[in-house]
This record gives sequence, structure tokens and C-alpha cells, in this order.
Amino acid sequence: EAGVTQFPSHSVIEKGQTVTLRCDPISGHDNLYWYRRVMGKEIKFLLHFVKESKQDESGMPNNRFLAERTGGTYSTLKVQPAELEDSGVYFCASSQELGAEAFFGQGTRLTVV
Amino acid sequence: QQQVKQSPQSLIVQKGGISIINCAYENTAFDYFPWYQQFPGKGPALLIAIRPDVSEKKEGRFTISFNKSAKQFSLHIMDSQPGDSATYFCAAGGYNKLIFGAGTRLAVHP
Repeated sequence: EAGVTQFPSHSVIEKGQTVTLRCDPISGHDNLYWYRRVMGKEIKFLLHFVKESKQDESGMPNNRFLAERTGGTYSTLKVQPAELEDSGVYFCASSQELGAEAFFGQGTRLTVV
Repeated sequence: QQQVKQSPQSLIVQKGGISIINCAYENTAFDYFPWYQQFPGKGPALLIAIRPDVSEKKEGRFTISFNKSAKQFSLHIMDSQPGDSATYFCAAGGYNKLIFGAGTRLAVHP
């Protein structure tokens, strides 16, 4: 069974540009989470989808970040326009049920220059 | 109330020794306390987890000790091996999200 996959692995963009990160959760997992780790600090929660619905987006930093999960399958996280402080590793995770083990993808390392 | 404080930031242990990583949380509503292990280039992977109704959980060489009154929990790695060298994250949470510590980089020297 394939795990959580994220694309791209790395992205380097200039300040002001737009970047879209993609996450494919484990098949059948209704719960999808986005997290971010900035500069070696803690991994911070961004938001939680249940199927296609945003259940909790309390961790989204500002309105430059837009997450979607059309059809309840894969999810995208768009940053527009990117700022220097958006640099970090973005992780996606999925779980079959609420409270069940969350499986993480390998992350997307975003560098804004 | 949403912080999880993890220490130490880095740890060097000799092969065969005991590695101990500590975490403290603030929110008494948390009811799930997992530890994740992350190798370079990989995502965090669940290592072991505990719920607050027990004070200790052991899986192989890995043990979580949980002190509900002190709001602290720790990971003990017995007989540490070079293959255990990784970054370890504690976390605490409820049913829909986790609050992570800042991570501990463990190096086990042969």
C-alpha cells in the first residue's frame, strides 16, 4: 500500500511568486492534515480536512495560504504571494479515523529567496 | 496553553546507553501523547504513543513514562543503537490535531 506522497520534494521560488504543494493521502483516509516546520522549530498544525470539508483551519498563518481538497482525495496548498518567512518543510498527513494514527509524507522543502 | 516543550535539543549517547527525552505540556484537555521518529529526508513516523489512563507503555527498547499530575512525559530508549540516530518529536493532542515539540536530534555513537 502506498504511503502519503507529496510533490514536489523541494521547491525554490522567489519572493512574490506562487507555489502549489500537493499531497496524496493514503487511499481511503478521510482525514488529511497539513503541518509546517520552520527553521528547525516545532512542527505546527496548519489545517485539517475531513473528506473535502475544512474541519479546522486555525493554524493557517494568513490569507496568502489556500488549501483545497476537491473530491476528497488529494489536497493542494497554495502560497500566493510567497514571502521569505514561508520557507520551511511542509508536511501532509492522513488518518483513517479521527484520533487514529496519522501517517506523514516525506515533506516538501520550500525555500523562498 | 497550546505549547509542548521538549528537551534536550540535542543528545549524544554511546551505543548501549539509555537515551532520555523529556516533554511538558500545558493543556489538560490533551488525551493522546505520541512520539515520532524522523530520519533525514523522510517524514515523521509514529514510534510509540500513550493515553493518559496509563503511566507507562513499553514497546521493545522504547518506553514512554507519563506523569499526568506534572503534565510531563518522556521517551526512554534502552540499549541505544547507531540506527536510532534520528530526530525525535513528542506531541500532544486531541482527536483532530497534534501539538509538537521542537524536536531532539539524537546521535548514538558506536
